[in-house]
Amino acid sequence: GIQVEQSPPDLILQEGANSTLRCNFSDSVNNLQWFHQNPWGQLINLFYIPSGTKQNGRLSATTVATERYSLLYISSSQTTDSGVYFCGGDRGSTLGRLYFGRGTQLTVWP
Amino acid sequence: NAGVTQTPKFQVLKTGQSMTLQCAQDMNHEYMSWYRQDPGMGLRLIHYSVGAGITDQGEVPNGYNVSRSTTEDFPLRLLSAAPSQTSVYFCASTGFGGGAEAFFGQGTRLTVV
Repeated sequence: GIQVEQSPPDLILQEGANSTLRCNFSDSVNNLQWFHQNPWGQLINLFYIPSGTKQNGRLSATTVATERYSLLYISSSQTTDSGVYFCGGDRGSTLGRLYFGRGTQLTVWP
Repeated sequence: NAGVTQTPKFQVLKTGQSMTLQCAQDMNHEYMSWYRQDPGMGLRLIHYSVGAGITDQGEVPNGYNVSRSTTEDFPLRLLSAAPSQTSVYFCASTGFGGGAEAFFGQGTRLTVV
């Protein structure tokens, strides 16, 4: 399977700070996605970003498929950003079968 | 549009009991899957299905069965629950029209005592 490395594993921020989360893949992936798991355990879709850059409010994501990594940027962080951020992607031969990293645990203090 | 619906949200089982976790989606997606989430382990694939009547094993299939008789439903059966199956279970649904974005249910927190 594909190995997915997420960094950093833990991140503690003060409200208002910016941060960058990274996701590295051991092999080429398709259909890369970012998810936020909120403190209630729900997995929320953030970005579907197989390549390029997308922005949604204070969040943006960039995927460089040729170099097998993706970045999630959080600007002006808020306490509601706390939770675990996961990235996942699949292979062309097994579309839909997502390989996930272990996540980045983000804690934002007021 | 409900998306992906999982039931129950919480369950406590005794060792050796069996149960079925239900998953239904109303997006007409071909692909459905079950993951388990354990502390520090991320999400690991248990079983998946690429369409009605077709299922296959994922990374951690032992102790679980699945079937896919309709496009909408993909139940996960625990045959004889063990404490090692204490986990949070997520069902996901993926469509392949113009991309392949996965959507998750709200999760089932299972404790086996």
